[in-house]
Amino acid sequence: KNQVEQSPQSLIILEGKNCTLQCNYTVSPFSNLRWYKQDTGRGPVSLTIMTFSENTKSNGRYTATLDADTKQSSLHITASQLSDSASYICVVSLRENYGGSQGNLIFGKGTKLSVKP
Amino acid sequence: DSGVTQTPKHLITATGQRVTLRCSPRSGDLSVYWYQQSLDQGLQFLIQYYNGEERAKGNILERFSAQQFPDLHSELNLSSLELGDSALYFCASSVTPESSYNEQFFGPGTRLTVL
Repeated sequence: KNQVEQSPQSLIILEGKNCTLQCNYTVSPFSNLRWYKQDTGRGPVSLTIMTFSENTKSNGRYTATLDADTKQSSLHITASQLSDSASYICVVSLRENYGGSQGNLIFGKGTKLSVKP
Repeated sequence: DSGVTQTPKHLITATGQRVTLRCSPRSGDLSVYWYQQSLDQGLQFLIQYYNGEERAKGNILERFSAQQFPDLHSELNLSSLELGDSALYFCASSVTPESSYNEQFFGPGTRLTVL
């Protein structure tokens, strides 16, 4: 079964510190991997998207990496800010029409990040 | 603001009742997706419409139905509600129907509470 596992489930860090969130997936056939940020009570917003041939992508203080061989991705947040407090969701896309009843996007449960002053 | 609007923001109802959730996609987007997010669960795909036609179906219960209207807004109908239907329901939209390759823009969600 296609699955996306994220760790840790939750994380508390101090403002200004760095952190790394992990995503492991068993999804085939793979199309791309996205990281979303979901503020409490809001819809997810895309941070990065990486295809099979890309192993790193940055968006400001957010840097995502992808190792397609080990089927792992990470999201590194640099110099955290209070506004980074949110859930971060890893989403792996199957190639079109391979998803069946799961759909083509397989969502992880997210990592809940709390940044404290 | 993603440009996707959903109403209502909150909905509280009783078991056995029927509700309708509404979604307006971003201007120019023809594809609409519905997702369910239960407590501490990942988003679960329910159904996708493209330009008024059903494009893909997820694990959507028979008690649930949806449609996309000519003006491209979509409605998700939930009937014979059960306690387990309490969740956040998100609508997303994209320009083209290929969900694997195109970014989906999510609305703010409707929080449904079934008592």
